[in-house]
Amino acid sequence: QQPVQSPQAVILREGEDAVINCSSSKALYSVHWYRQKHGEAPVFLMILLKGGEQKGHEKISASFNEKKQQSSLYLTASQLSYSGTYFCGTVVSSGSRLTFGEGTQLTVNP
Amino acid sequence: NAGVTQTPKFQVLKTGQSMTLQCAQDMNHNSMYWYRQDPGMGLRLIYYSASEGTTDKGEVPNGYNVSRLNKREFSLRLESAAPSQTSVYFCASRPWTSGDPEQFFGPGTRLTVL
Repeated sequence: QQPVQSPQAVILREGEDAVINCSSSKALYSVHWYRQKHGEAPVFLMILLKGGEQKGHEKISASFNEKKQQSSLYLTASQLSYSGTYFCGTVVSSGSRLTFGEGTQLTVNP
Repeated sequence: NAGVTQTPKFQVLKTGQSMTLQCAQDMNHNSMYWYRQDPGMGLRLIYYSASEGTTDKGEVPNGYNVSRLNKREFSLRLESAAPSQTSVYFCASRPWTSGDPEQFFGPGTRLTVL
C-alpha cells in the first residue's frame, strides 16, 4: 500500500525551514527519501532503517518513528537548489521492493 | 561508470503500435525495476526483476511485458500502445547488499501515444 506524504506542496523563501512527512499503514523495515528536479530522474537522499541506522546526505536530516510507521524529512536553511519533488519510499522487509508516495513539491524562492 | 542508461529518451507512437524500451546498468546490480510516472501520481512500479532470470508484476503491469536479458539489461515492451500509456518511464537498479541499499535511476524515456 502506498505511503501518504504531507504536505502535497510547500513554498519557502530562501533560508526558511520545512518538514515533509511520510506515513504508512504497514510495519516498515526502512524508509527511503529521494529528490527529483523537473525533467530529471529521482536522486537518492537518505535511508532510515529500523533500529536507528541512517545513511545519506550530510546536510539533510530525517527521523523514523518505528512505532507510528512515520518518517519526517527536515530541510533547514533552505537553498534555491532544494527545489524539487521529494518522494518517500517504504520497504516492509529486508530485500523487498520500494513503494513510493505521491511526492511533495517544494519550491524555494529568493 | 555510466550508471543506468535508457533508450530512447523520447518516443511518439500511434495507438496500436508496439515498441521496446531498453535499460542497461553497469554497476553489477542484481535487481532492476521499471516505473511509470504520471503528473501527480508519483512513481508506480510496472514490473521488476529481483535477480537475473526472474521477473514479477508490480502495481500496474497491464499492457506491458518485460525481459531480463542478462544481469545488465532489462527491457520493457508495449505490445499495442494506448493513449493511457503516455507517461515518463524510469528504469532503476539496486544491488543486493546488507543495510537496504538505495536505488539508482536512469534518465527516463518520455513516451507519447497519439
